[in-house]
Amino acid sequence: ETGVTQSPTHLIKTRGQQVTLRCSSQSGHNTVSWYQQALGQGPQFIFQYYREEENGRGNFPPRFSGLQFPNYSSELNVNALELDDSALYLCASSLGTVRTGELFFGEGSRLTVL
Amino acid sequence: SQQGEEDPQALSIQEGENATMNCSYKTSINNLQWYRQNSGRGLVHLILIRSNEREKHSGRLRVTLDTSKKSSSLLITASRAADTASYFCATDVSGNTGKLIFGQGTTLQVKP
Repeated sequence: ETGVTQSPTHLIKTRGQQVTLRCSSQSGHNTVSWYQQALGQGPQFIFQYYREEENGRGNFPPRFSGLQFPNYSSELNVNALELDDSALYLCASSLGTVRTGELFFGEGSRLTVL
Repeated sequence: SQQGEEDPQALSIQEGENATMNCSYKTSINNLQWYRQNSGRGLVHLILIRSNEREKHSGRLRVTLDTSKKSSSLLITASRAADTASYFCATDVSGNTGKLIFGQGTTLQVKP
């Protein structure tokens, strides 16, 4: 148990729809990073939120957006869903951004786009 | 883009044997980490090795890092059926804890 919780665990959407995924970070952690993991691949960095501000973004289009709230929980929003968005979406929390250390991952939200 | 490449992609061994997985990367790193993932669930951190370290141990895990060859290896000794999982190396190239670049992983099966 990492103390990081994600919801929902599974969901099915159709092409063109929008989805919101949620993440509660481990107690005391002020940084949340989101990753996309396609089947059979390693996770790919989407973006990071630190103290409610986006702090770095990977190679993902603007239809991937996020929020971080004052309690450090976070949301990932994906608009205009495409079939290739089908993946496991993982959030990971950490304390700060510059301290080298481990990430604490949630169990993920598995999104299927039909 | 994937910075790390892992080898082998899949590994099947008997319980009690040792398992070795290798990871190569392309650019300079601050640290390299290994994570484990059971059957499409969340990732669990195993061990972190900094760029100025060459070897690190944690229980049955041994990690080596060769920055001149841009490679790392993870050795699991005396494997158990419960070690069956996918193992990923991840590199920190930016100095930002959360921005890791993962390899494609090695799937390990340990047969009882």
